Amino acid sequence: DQQVKQNSPSLSVQEGRISILNCDYTNSMFDYFLWYKKYPAEGPTFLISISSIKDKNEDGRFTVFLNKSAKHLSLHIVPSQPGDSAVYFCAAGTGANNLFFGTGTRLTVIP
Amino acid sequence: GAVVSQHPSRVICKSGTSVKIECRSLDFQATTMFWYRQFPKQSLMLMATSNEGSKATYEQGVEKDKFLINHASLTLSTLTVTSAHPEDSSFYICSAKTGKSTDTQYFGPGTRLTVL
Repeated sequence: DQQVKQNSPSLSVQEGRISILNCDYTNSMFDYFLWYKKYPAEGPTFLISISSIKDKNEDGRFTVFLNKSAKHLSLHIVPSQPGDSAVYFCAAGTGANNLFFGTGTRLTVIP
Repeated sequence: GAVVSQHPSRVICKSGTSVKIECRSLDFQATTMFWYRQFPKQSLMLMATSNEGSKATYEQGVEKDKFLINHASLTLSTLTVTSAHPEDSSFYICSAKTGKSTDTQYFGPGTRLTVL
């Protein structure tokens, strides 16, 4: 049973616009959430995280929003750049151990 | 900082042979290391968690006698796929983190295993 879900397998956005990637989870015990970026045949690269005591965390062009009541988190990238094109995975767990990953969303930023 | 390396990046072996994959944390001490595998177009699936100096904890459905994990030092963990079969062909990725509960997992670049 998939505890972390990314329902959009792909997303295309024009350069300069906002990219919004969504993620839902089912386990209310999860208290730590992360977003990773991954290129083919490479390991995931950490982007940004958020703990359950916050509802927003911002790092440069990347902002993660957490809605605990809806068990939903999202990653906003603004402005989107062609170099952002990759597969984005959200992950959730208790602490940073035993992370459960979503199936990923392929983001394509069109120049 | 927080660089994790894996070796080899790609390996092709014959069915029945054993393959060892190394995972190293290059600039920090990794109290805990994790091993994942990823099938095409699927998410990363945690195989096992290992803490330095102790036995690995395997996820349900992962054969511990087939996937041998050793975490002998704070910077090195190895995964040995014993008697590999074609169905073991996959992308294996390790990650490492320090002892802090909220510290992020940092991932290696992955190892593509192909069993003929």
